[in-house]
Amino acid sequence: GAGVSQSPRYKVAKRGQDVALRCDPISGHVSLFWYQQALGQGPEFLTYFQNEAQLDKSGLPSDRFFAERPEGSVSTLKIQRTQQEDSAVYLCASSLQREVFYEQYFGPGTRLTVT
Amino acid sequence: DAKTTQPPSMDCAEGRAANLPCNHSTISGNEYVYWYRQIHSQGPQYIIHGLKNNETNEMASLIITEDRKSSTLILPHATLRDTAVYYCIVRVARVEYGNKLVFGAGTILRVKS
Repeated sequence: GAGVSQSPRYKVAKRGQDVALRCDPISGHVSLFWYQQALGQGPEFLTYFQNEAQLDKSGLPSDRFFAERPEGSVSTLKIQRTQQEDSAVYLCASSLQREVFYEQYFGPGTRLTVT
Repeated sequence: DAKTTQPPSMDCAEGRAANLPCNHSTISGNEYVYWYRQIHSQGPQYIIHGLKNNETNEMASLIITEDRKSSTLILPHATLRDTAVYYCIVRVARVEYGNKLVFGAGTILRVKS
C-alpha cells in the first residue's frame, strides 16, 4: 500500500521567504509527527498531532514554525521568514494508533535549502 | 528517556552477521529499546523493539542483556542494502509521555562486498 508521502521533495528558498511543506500520512493513521534533520545528525522532534489536535509542539525551534492538520489527515509545516539555519531535511511520520507500540512510518522527507 | 551510546561506525562483510551494540546504562524498568535505521536519502525505518526478552523478526534479532544496560542488534546475513545509519532509542511506553522518538547520532554500518 501507499506509504507516507511528502511534497515537495526539494525546496530552495531565499532567506526571508515563507515555505509550506506537505505531508500525506498513511490512510487511517491517527498520529502524525514532524522531525527536522540537519546534515550529519539524527532527526529531531518538532511536533505531534493526534488526529487534528496538536498535542505536543515543544520541538518547534521558534514562532516562525507553524504546523497544522485541520481535518486529521494531511498536515502542513509552514516556516515563515526562512533563515539559513532552517536548511535541513524535514521528515514526516505517521502511526496507526497513539500507543507507543505502534511503529512510526516515515516519509522520504523534504530537503529545504535556504540561500 | 534514557541516553544511549553507540559506536560511530562499523564495517561488515557481505553475507556475514552484523552485530551493532548499544549501551543504555541508565535505562529504567518501564523503558523499551527500539531500533530504527536510515538508508541514504530515505526516512528512518522501524526494525525491532523489546523490553527485556530477546526478540526476532524477519529483519533482525535484538539481544538485551539481563541487567538491561546494553543490547545488540543482529542482522544475520548482511547485504549491501543494509548499509545505513542504525539508531538505538530508549523510550517510555506510557502514552502520556508522548510518542516522539529521540534519535542520537547512530552507527553508520557499511556492508562491503
